[in-house]
Amino acid sequence: AQSVTQPDIHITVSEGASLELRCNYSYGATPYLFWYVQSPGQGLQLLLKYFSGDTLVQGIKGFEAEFKRSQSSFNLRKPSVHWSDAAEYFCAVGVQGSYIPTFGRGTSLIVHP
Amino acid sequence: GAVVSQHPSRVICKSGTSVKIECRSLDFQATTMFWYRQFPKKSLMLMATSNEGSKATYEQGVEKDKFLINHASLTLSTLTVTSAHPEDSSFYICSAVPSERELGGTQETQYFGPGTRLLVL
Repeated sequence: AQSVTQPDIHITVSEGASLELRCNYSYGATPYLFWYVQSPGQGLQLLLKYFSGDTLVQGIKGFEAEFKRSQSSFNLRKPSVHWSDAAEYFCAVGVQGSYIPTFGRGTSLIVHP
Repeated sequence: GAVVSQHPSRVICKSGTSVKIECRSLDFQATTMFWYRQFPKKSLMLMATSNEGSKATYEQGVEKDKFLINHASLTLSTLTVTSAHPEDSSFYICSAVPSERELGGTQETQYFGPGTRLLVL
């Protein structure tokens, strides 16, 4: 079975600073990888996903993530954070043929002005 | 595209009453929908998989008789919390997966609704 770890419960950055949220997964084959964002009291919005091909994936809102097989990682990055990016971020790992990914526990992003 | 709505967005009810939450895919057909429960500061817990025209598949530990799921059409699934108690208070989120013909084969991607906050007094 697959699993996913988000080692950071909270991340605090200043507005305008760069951001990297960590995600590590465990799965025997090539996984499907997702990043979702959840604003307070809201559902989850898909930021980006990796199924195959180019390991650097561009998403919405200026986010990108890089799949590194050797490190079993799929870290989310943004070069310059905006105050509106403050939210909960979930990494998820899925497998081919399954609709049900496994979610990480989430990382809460706090943005200081 | 791929918009999922939930209604109501929040509901307060008395203990012992039943509450129905609707999940709709607005611009695509969804053969499969999912219901999640999210506790404060916690990740999502999958409750059940809802398949159009057939019985839902419940995850271990989720009471079928308490959380009734109906997926009557390709765009609507409902979750009914029966005889609700304060411990059922939570944030319930649904998601939908486009059916095979839709959205160019993104079947492994779930699209989430905005969630429903349930408070049982």
